Amino acid sequence: QSVLTQPPSVSAAPGQKVTISCSGSSSNIGNNFVSWYQQLPGTAPQLLIYDDYQRPSGIPDRFSGSKSGTSATLGIAGLQTGDEADYYCGTWDTSLSAGVFGGGTKLTVL
Amino acid sequence: ELQLVESGGGLVKPGGSLRLSCAASGFTFSGFSMSWVRQAPGKGLEWVSFISGRSTYIYYADSVKGRLTISRDNAENSLFLQMNSLRADDTAVYYCARVLNTGNGMDVWGQGTTVTVSS
Repeated sequence: QSVLTQPPSVSAAPGQKVTISCSGSSSNIGNNFVSWYQQLPGTAPQLLIYDDYQRPSGIPDRFSGSKSGTSATLGIAGLQTGDEADYYCGTWDTSLSAGVFGGGTKLTVL
Repeated sequence: ELQLVESGGGLVKPGGSLRLSCAASGFTFSGFSMSWVRQAPGKGLEWVSFISGRSTYIYYADSVKGRLTISRDNAENSLFLQMNSLRADDTAVYYCARVLNTGNGMDVWGQGTTVTVSS
């Protein structure tokens, strides 16, 4: 039971757009920046989005982030088979004085 | 090239100890906060600990508080995780990661080192 709630899985066809939600509370998402990570099978996580919507250099603009209140959303447009991976949201929880992650969402590109 | 390389993982008995290391290169190590994140087999990411650039601020997940200790040696560009009183549920791949100075996010990750706690 993670502090942040993500759907276990999402799927969409190549070329389509998918969104992954991340729900929290005022002690985490509501008052702290959110980041998103992609983890391809057997590899370390990679930062996709930081500070709610910023993309690190090298991350294509197919990946987008947004936040409203205590929820954040990762969008992936123009889906490719290479996007099949686990996606995690993360932030700081002020009440816990700890970092927190969502449980992860497995993306399947049909 | 920005790089983090973990080492020190292995098989240890319950109640035992282990010290993980993370060697940093390609950036000014002392200028960045660092974190440890772990991933149990088949499970999601779990944040473990955070240390600021000059070790002024240190935080731990409740699940490891009192048993795991984070530290760093800026002269040696190294991050450490001393793991004591290990339990079976500490079994995981442990990643070190660089924390962005802007706010939230870990932008450089090591390849991970595996810790297995079993009798």
